[in-house]
Amino acid sequence: DSGVTQTPKHLITATGQRVTLRCSPRSGDLSVYWYQQSLDQGLQFLIQYYNGEERAKGNILERFSAQQFPDLHSELNLSSLELGDSALYFCASSPQTGGLYNEQFFGPGTRLTVL
Amino acid sequence: GESVGLHLPTLSVQEGDNSIINCAYSNSASDYFIWYKQESGKGPQFIIDIRSNMDKRQGQRVTVLLNKTVKHLSLQIAATQPGDSAVYFCAENRSGGSNYKLTFGKGTLLTVNP
Repeated sequence: DSGVTQTPKHLITATGQRVTLRCSPRSGDLSVYWYQQSLDQGLQFLIQYYNGEERAKGNILERFSAQQFPDLHSELNLSSLELGDSALYFCASSPQTGGLYNEQFFGPGTRLTVL
Repeated sequence: GESVGLHLPTLSVQEGDNSIINCAYSNSASDYFIWYKQESGKGPQFIIDIRSNMDKRQGQRVTVLLNKTVKHLSLQIAATQPGDSAVYFCAENRSGGSNYKLTFGKGTLLTVNP
């Protein structure tokens, strides 16, 4: 158990809908990262937050957004869902903003299925 | 469990043998590398890391080798056990200011036969 929690574990929805994925980092970790894992693209970095502020952006679509709240939990919002958004979404946390040598601890993931 | 990829490179070994998993990275500016293990239905789990100023690092039953000349990383697992069966990812950090992004390889599926 990494100490990172994610809810829900599974989510099934329809195209065009909007969903919110939630992540609670390890106690004391200030940075939260979101990743998407699909069969054809592997693990892809989406976005990072540090202490409430966005710090880095990866391959995140404009239909997706995220935020980190004062209690450091984070939410990933996915809107206008498409079939291709079906994937595993992982959250990871680390103690610092992440310069180098900063290990990330991954949660168990949320499996999103868009029908 | 869930498969994380349909077309992953695969490695099948006998229990007790040593395993070597390879990874090629693309960015010569990457200066930090991590190996992650992902078991079916779980999130990636940190195994070992290495900085670019090193060419070898050892952990418990695992060794990571880094060859910056050819941009190649390998993970050696000694006395492989059934519990080592998983998908193994290498990840590189492409440094740049305050940004910290891990870029993951496609992964290798390791199967340990009893």
